[in-house]
Amino acid sequence: NAGVTQTPKFRVLKTGQSMTLLCAQDMNHEYMYWYRQDPGMGLRLIHYSVGEGTTAKGEVPDGYNVSRLKKQNFLLGLESAAPSQTSVYFCASSLDETSGSDTQYFGPGTRLTVL
Amino acid sequence: GESVGLHLPTLSVQEGDNSIINCAYSNSASDYFIWYKQESGKGPQFIIDIRSNMDKRQGQRVTVLLNKTVKHLSLQIAATQPGDSAVYFCAENIGAGNMLTFGGGTRLMVKP
Repeated sequence: NAGVTQTPKFRVLKTGQSMTLLCAQDMNHEYMYWYRQDPGMGLRLIHYSVGEGTTAKGEVPDGYNVSRLKKQNFLLGLESAAPSQTSVYFCASSLDETSGSDTQYFGPGTRLTVL
Repeated sequence: GESVGLHLPTLSVQEGDNSIINCAYSNSASDYFIWYKQESGKGPQFIIDIRSNMDKRQGQRVTVLLNKTVKHLSLQIAATQPGDSAVYFCAENIGAGNMLTFGGGTRLMVKP
């Protein structure tokens, strides 16, 4: 049981380039989330999904898009990267309907630098 | 807007002592609170949670206390060990989709 995994671990982009971050979970969780964490700060919610085929905006959604085509995967896209998007990105999942647990479990993070 | 915050950014304790990390919240409608531990270069790790119908919950070496009257949350770590050194975040459930709002974090440093 790998939990929550993220790909890639590190990435450097030039301003204006695009990329997609992949999150996968093998816990059969209903909900998935994308956060960003800037130095010395807590996590801020970008987008989230309460089920396959659904997405919703979080606290800081501008400049990002997401898709949840499969229950186990949640993709975060940057269409035109900006230096302000330099951050560490964390994916999380929650809600095991079998056990009723709604604890959020986090992946190891993706460190993104935009030059 | 309403948010979760922390009183102390850094806490330094001696190995073996007890640690107390505090958190204030302002959303009186929040009904679920969580403490996470984050080690350098890693994602947040769940430690313990508590619902608003409880005042206290204990885990292995950790205890969370919730004071709804003053909107205060604390994490107590007994017999602090070097492996407890990390940044600790409190978070509150803010509603639909089990969304969480995180505080700014407290760095715990354990001196051997």
